[in-house]
Amino acid sequence: QSALTQPPSASGSPGQSVTISCTGTSSDVGGYNYVSWYQQHPGKAPKLMIYEVSKRPSGVPDRFSGSKSGDTASLTVSGLQAEDEAEYYCSSYADSNNVLFGGGTKLTVL
Amino acid sequence: QVQLVESGGGVVQPGRSLRLSCAASGFTFSIYGMHWVRQAPGKGLDWVAVMSYDGSNEYYADSVKGRFTISRDNSKKMLYLQMNSLRTEDTAVYYCAKVSPGVTAIKAGFDYWGQGTLVTVSS
Repeated sequence: QSALTQPPSASGSPGQSVTISCTGTSSDVGGYNYVSWYQQHPGKAPKLMIYEVSKRPSGVPDRFSGSKSGDTASLTVSGLQAEDEAEYYCSSYADSNNVLFGGGTKLTVL
Repeated sequence: QVQLVESGGGVVQPGRSLRLSCAASGFTFSIYGMHWVRQAPGKGLDWVAVMSYDGSNEYYADSVKGRFTISRDNSKKMLYLQMNSLRTEDTAVYYCAKVSPGVTAIKAGFDYWGQGTLVTVSS
């Protein structure tokens, strides 16, 4: 199965909002509510930001939110802060007991 | 606090084997599924394998099926990845990750990650 599709880059100024998309198919993103989002700073391990499409783990700021429409999931970061600059990856459960990741989106805070 | 510490990485020739370990602490290891995820240098995340909390279910990415085996020892709070017939394209940092609670392991998000161990496959 192919990886999920994310834009390679996104950007916004401090205080603005930015949305990152993650497009799959009916066999993964569209078929299940098991989409997660991860933040990864250079040289660090990924960190879970959103799970099951829109749930936030404890400790993750409510500036981060997730949603899904059809085969596309989205991560929105509101009130951008300098520390939000990182790589963001989506993942989804997929048919036949598989897990797919997106290619990653580099978020730049201008 | 939750800690996951991977070990066992290194440089290995194509076709050879390597066994990775992940030592868990700070949580009840025996009730959580665990995954292995890898990241080639400068590339994105790539799911490798998952094992359920009791070892009764295991699933693999097509790219490693038949070559890699995931296992766990709940009494030692350890997760393993036996990697055989290694290829140059298996070169990556390998992370172990704990599943978030509430759903089956294969569907869950990964709420804690180790720092990773680097595997380099090269002649």
